[in-house]
Amino acid sequence: QSVLTQTPSASATAGQRITISCSGSSSNIGSYTVNWYQQVPGTAPKLLISTTSQRPSGVPDRFSGSKSGTSASLAISGLQSEDEADYYCAAWDDSLNAWMFGGGTKVSVL
Amino acid sequence: EEELVESGGGLVQPGRSLRLSCTASGFTFGDYVMSWVRQAPGKGLEWVGFIRSKSYGGTAEYAASVKGRVTISRDDSRNIAYLQINSPKTEDTAMYYCTRDFYYFESSTYYSYLLWYFELWGRGTLVAVSS
Repeated sequence: QSVLTQTPSASATAGQRITISCSGSSSNIGSYTVNWYQQVPGTAPKLLISTTSQRPSGVPDRFSGSKSGTSASLAISGLQSEDEADYYCAAWDDSLNAWMFGGGTKVSVL
Repeated sequence: EEELVESGGGLVQPGRSLRLSCTASGFTFGDYVMSWVRQAPGKGLEWVGFIRSKSYGGTAEYAASVKGRVTISRDDSRNIAYLQINSPKTEDTAMYYCTRDFYYFESSTYYSYLLWYFELWGRGTLVAVSS
């Protein structure tokens, strides 16, 4: 059971918008920024969103992040086939003094 | 090109130690905090620990699940970070990734401010613990 809770899977047709949620608590998401990582099957994870809503260079603006209270969200608009991947949220937890990852959300493009 | 390359994985018997290496290139290694993250087969990501850069004291911290069994160190002259796993257990079987971190921390009596994320990942090295 992960400290950060993500829906295990999500799917939508190409071109649609999809939102992935990440639920935490006051000791992690409620106090710190959230990062999102994308892992295409068979490859290493890659930083997708940093400090809750910042896109690193090279990440398309179809990806956006936000946070409210103890929950965070990743939105993908104009879904494309190459977006099929596992998405993980992560936040520092100051009660555990450790990085916490969500269990991951597998995104499928129908 | 900035790159991290992990090595040292393989099949190891329970109780036999192993040391993983993470060799960095394309950036000033000594300026960065480095972390290790692992992923058991078919499972999600799990943070193992990190080592601060010398500017932040050069010390390491660990996840509770591995504390006392692993040691993270670094050799800034060789651009290498290490993860030593002592007395590995079958549950340590995983792909081990090293990361270069963006890390900024400041604190005072009245506040603390932390910006931290894993900005560059290696391709990983696979460790299988089995007799």
